[in-house]
Amino acid sequence: EADIYQTPRYLVIGTGKKITLECSQTMGHDKMYWYQQDPGMELHLIHYSYGVNSTEKGDLSSESTVSRIRTEHFPLTLESARPSHTSQYLCASGKGGYNEQFFGPGTRLTVL
Amino acid sequence: SQQGEEDPQALSIQEGENATMNCSYKTSINNLQWYRQNSGRGLVHLILIRSNEREKHSGRLRVTLDTSKKSSSLLITASRAADTASYFCATDVNSGNTPLVFGKGTRLSVIA
Repeated sequence: EADIYQTPRYLVIGTGKKITLECSQTMGHDKMYWYQQDPGMELHLIHYSYGVNSTEKGDLSSESTVSRIRTEHFPLTLESARPSHTSQYLCASGKGGYNEQFFGPGTRLTVL
Repeated sequence: SQQGEEDPQALSIQEGENATMNCSYKTSINNLQWYRQNSGRGLVHLILIRSNEREKHSGRLRVTLDTSKKSSSLLITASRAADTASYFCATDVNSGNTPLVFGKGTRLSVIA
């Protein structure tokens, strides 16, 4: 089991609320990622970071933002949640030249 | 555009049978990886095959890679009900300098 944690695991909120999804890893990995995934569907990369103070947008256009102030911590923030944000959000970290990724358990978000 | 495409999208077999999933990709790769995702969970890394390798084994898993055809296959032998999950291939196209590109996945159901 990978040492990567996500909180909360489940979240139900109303439209317009600001939320932050937490992701932490204890493996000292430089690389961290956020994916959005609808149930049974493909993964969409929304943000990634290859080190402290370095963040990049992924392939999926997203209204979320991320920060990487510490190696182990990579939070995702939605300033104003909408029903279209309802999905599962997966955080991952990676190491080395082979680019193997370790995933957290996910946060299932429902916006009413 | 999607780099990896798994085939079939869904597969249903009886316990004890072998399951074969295929992955095709479009550009040259450094390595190709297979991941498993149980329902509602994060992905788990199964096996990695480098571009200069043709076949790799890990327990009941056998992965092949044909770079001339830009394709890979994952074989699970003597399947069990616990193998029921989605399986994703992911390609590393830039030696870890850019994120992995995941396919859309194959949903495997193993019926006891």
